[in-house]
Amino acid sequence: DTEVTQTPKHLVMGMTNKKSLKCEQHMGHRAMYWYKQKAKKPPELMFVYSYEKLSINESVPSRFSPECPNSSLLNLHLHALQPEDSALYLCASSQIDGRHQPQHFGDGTRLSIL
Amino acid sequence: AQSVTQPDIHITVSEGASLELRCNYSYGATPYLFWYVQSPGQGLQLLLKYFSGDTLVQGIKGFEAEFKRSQSSFNLRKPSVHWSDAAEYFCAVGAKNTDKLIFGTGTRLQVFP
Repeated sequence: DTEVTQTPKHLVMGMTNKKSLKCEQHMGHRAMYWYKQKAKKPPELMFVYSYEKLSINESVPSRFSPECPNSSLLNLHLHALQPEDSALYLCASSQIDGRHQPQHFGDGTRLSIL
Repeated sequence: AQSVTQPDIHITVSEGASLELRCNYSYGATPYLFWYVQSPGQGLQLLLKYFSGDTLVQGIKGFEAEFKRSQSSFNLRKPSVHWSDAAEYFCAVGAKNTDKLIFGTGTRLQVFP
């Protein structure tokens, strides 16, 4: 069982829809991450939050909007997505102590854009 | 630039055989190194990590990895593979001065009975 919980597990949406992906962890981690993963590829970093503040945005299109309401929750708001945005979206979290602590991943949300 | 190379895209082994997955990194200092495994339809699970100290690290599921600075390698090994080990394996290095992980392209392991 993973300690990072992502909902929903699957999402199908049209290009004009608005939806949100949710991620929750209760390990006391203060860094949280969103990744996009296409089939047979490694995860690509999208956003990093440190202490609930956005610290890294990897030039992600504005149709993806992250939000970190508190230290346990991370959301990814989706609007006007394109078919090429269909992918597995992974959330991860890690401790912050000046070293590269391991990231703990959720099982992802499989997103399909019609 | 920092990078991670996994030379083998796909490896096939028989159940019970030994396994070694290769990982080479490019990094200017002592790296933070990780191996993750991803089963179909799931997220990434940490197998093991290397920060410093003993260069042979033990992980979960019977895996181990050896850090060799002279070869810039961090190869993953298992003495006897089980059918449940079939999955995608990613090597990663922690990027300098950021929270980023740099992933290799992955090695897909197939296990035959």
